[in-house]
Amino acid sequence: SQKIEQNSEALNIQEGKTATLTCNYTNYSPAYLQWYRQDPGRGPVFLLLIRENEKEKRKERLKVTFDTTLKQSLFHITASQPADSATYLCALRSTGGFKTIFGAGTRLFVKA
Amino acid sequence: DTEVTQTPKHLVMGMTNKKSLKCEQHMGHRAMYWYKQKAKKPPELMFVYSYEKLSINESVPSRFSPECPNSSLLNLHLHALQPEDSALYLCASSHARREAPERQYFGPGTRLTVL
Repeated sequence: SQKIEQNSEALNIQEGKTATLTCNYTNYSPAYLQWYRQDPGRGPVFLLLIRENEKEKRKERLKVTFDTTLKQSLFHITASQPADSATYLCALRSTGGFKTIFGAGTRLFVKA
Repeated sequence: DTEVTQTPKHLVMGMTNKKSLKCEQHMGHRAMYWYKQKAKKPPELMFVYSYEKLSINESVPSRFSPECPNSSLLNLHLHALQPEDSALYLCASSHARREAPERQYFGPGTRLTVL
C-alpha cells in the first residue's frame, strides 16, 4: 500500500540554524509533491510544490528537493526563527486525480 | 479573496443528534474536499466534489453525508455519530485542473466533539 514517512515526529533546533525535514514514500509515483505548514488546531497552509521533473525549488528561506529515484524529498528552512515552530506536512498527488496523501508531519521547535 | 471559511468553529453533539458542517469559498474553485484529522495524525481524505459532483468517497460511513449545493458551498451532514468520530474536520478547495499541479486551500476547520 502507499506509504509516506516523515523523518521524525519532532525536531528541535536553535534559532538561526537550518532545519532539514525528510519525507520518504513507497509504492507511489507522484506527479508532484507539496509541503504544508500546520499550526495547532488550524488548517494546513501551502508552502511549496515541486514537480517530479524538478530537482529543487526555493522560496525565500525555504528550499525543497525531490529525488524520485530515492523516493525522497528534503525540506529546508534556513536561518530558522521561533515563528517557524509548527508541524510541517508533506503531501503527494498524481495528476489526473484529486486524491492527496499526507504524511504524519514533523513538529519543528525552534528555540530562541 | 483567497479564503475558505468553515462554520461552526466548534461543535459538541450527542450520538443521537443531527448536525451539519458548512464550508464556503469564493475563489471560483471547482473541487472541494472534506478531510478528517485526529490529533498528531495527517489529514485523511473523506470526500471530493468536482464540478458539484461527488468524485471520491473514501469508504466513509453513511453517518457522514456530504452535499455540494453549488460551486461555492460544501456541507457535511452528521447523524448518529460515535465518540471516535471526534476530530478536526477540514474543508479544502482547489481549481480542479486535473492535468496541472495544484495546491489546496484549507479552511480553519471545525473541532467536533461527540459525547
